[in-house]
Amino acid sequence: GQQVMQIPQYQHVQEGEDFTTYCNSSTTLSNIQWYKQRPGGHPVFLIQLVKSGEVKKQKRLTFQFGEAKKNSSLHITATQTTDVGTYFCAGDYGQNFVFGPGTRLSVLP
Amino acid sequence: GAGVSQTPSNKVTEKGKYVELRCDPISGHTALYWYRQSLGQGPEFLIYFQGTGAADDSGLPNDRFFAVRPEGSVSTLKIQRTERGDSAMYLCASSLNSRYTGELFFGEGSRLTVL
Repeated sequence: GQQVMQIPQYQHVQEGEDFTTYCNSSTTLSNIQWYKQRPGGHPVFLIQLVKSGEVKKQKRLTFQFGEAKKNSSLHITATQTTDVGTYFCAGDYGQNFVFGPGTRLSVLP
Repeated sequence: GAGVSQTPSNKVTEKGKYVELRCDPISGHTALYWYRQSLGQGPEFLIYFQGTGAADDSGLPNDRFFAVRPEGSVSTLKIQRTERGDSAMYLCASSLNSRYTGELFFGEGSRLTVL
């Protein structure tokens, strides 16, 4: 079935280090969205990627959509304690929209 | 209201009881979604409404789960004969137009605990 995988499951970094989470699908996606969920909070939309090979930046965050539209990544440069949370990708398969299991980021001050 | 509102924020019930969870979406949003999230997992799709009709209920786990949106705004998720396995955070989201054409705005969720 349609499934979105994310790695790593957990990531612990020292403040100032970089962080990357990867999202993979076995089949082609129409588009992909990224969400952030703070501890005890609800998912908050970060970005949507639609085009093959698309790269978007939001301050220290860089989002990429693979050429085959089967994978995506989120890279955070110089993490801060405010980046703590779980990052979810959500793949649009046309008829279904499937969230990945998330990558939980801890940032040590 | 300014955002998606869900009530109650917490619900503790006993096995076998009936529960209702309410979602009030952002005004003007025609699309409404219910998700279920267990600890350490991503949101799991339950049902999608476009206006008053359930356009896709393929995520409902069984016939104990039912949802309505009679006037195209507020939605209620209804769970009959609750089981311990139903314990989870139930999230509601809305979006402006048709399905998944833009960002989903999530509410704070209703945490259901079945004892």
